[in-house]
Amino acid sequence: ETGVTQTPRHLVMGMTNKKSLKCEQHLGHNAMYWYKQSAKKPLELMFVYSLEERVENNSVPSRFSPECPNSSHLFLHLHTLQPEDSALYLCASSQDTSRLSYNEQFFGPGTRLTVL
Amino acid sequence: AQSVAQPEDQVNVAEGNPLTVKCTYSVSGNPYLFWYVQYPNRGLQFLLKYITGDNLVKGSYGFEAEFNKSQTSFHLKKPSALVSDSALYFCAVRGEYSSASKIIFGSGTRLSIRP
Repeated sequence: ETGVTQTPRHLVMGMTNKKSLKCEQHLGHNAMYWYKQSAKKPLELMFVYSLEERVENNSVPSRFSPECPNSSHLFLHLHTLQPEDSALYLCASSQDTSRLSYNEQFFGPGTRLTVL
Repeated sequence: AQSVAQPEDQVNVAEGNPLTVKCTYSVSGNPYLFWYVQYPNRGLQFLLKYITGDNLVKGSYGFEAEFNKSQTSFHLKKPSALVSDSALYFCAVRGEYSSASKIIFGSGTRLSIRP
């Protein structure tokens, strides 16, 4: 494993449910990311947190709500999702998001979400 | 605007033959280029990156990539393919004037190595 863990690995939820995805990184990084991976589409960056402050929010619907309580943990709170939100949700971390950083991202195994 | 293209959805190669997975990009300024691999039911795993210097970059599992500035390409290569190389490969890029969070991923190329 890469040092980034995600739970749960699989989640099935109805459109009226509320659930949360959890990500934890053990690499000492100071930036964390949420991506959405759908079949035959490029990875979609959803949110970026650097030093626990949200620095990116790429027009994601409000039914997705991120939370970063510290540099090691990242949550994605889900409510009233739609079937088209079914996808693999990947968490990643890196050291530094500044323009001078060349650091690669380390990814977790993902949560496979199915919305019924 | 930044963009990256992987023109092939799938590449099929016989084991032992050389393989190439193509990637082209468009950025402002100099590019920082990355290759990642994704095995089934796993997250993306970093393979290699080009920042500056030698145009031929060597990475994990015997993979290498060649940066070609005039063709704006960063193709992934391996001299002799293994069945275990079968996976989904992503090229990613960001421009030198962008923050590290603004990395753009391609849509991926599925590599299939037949025995």
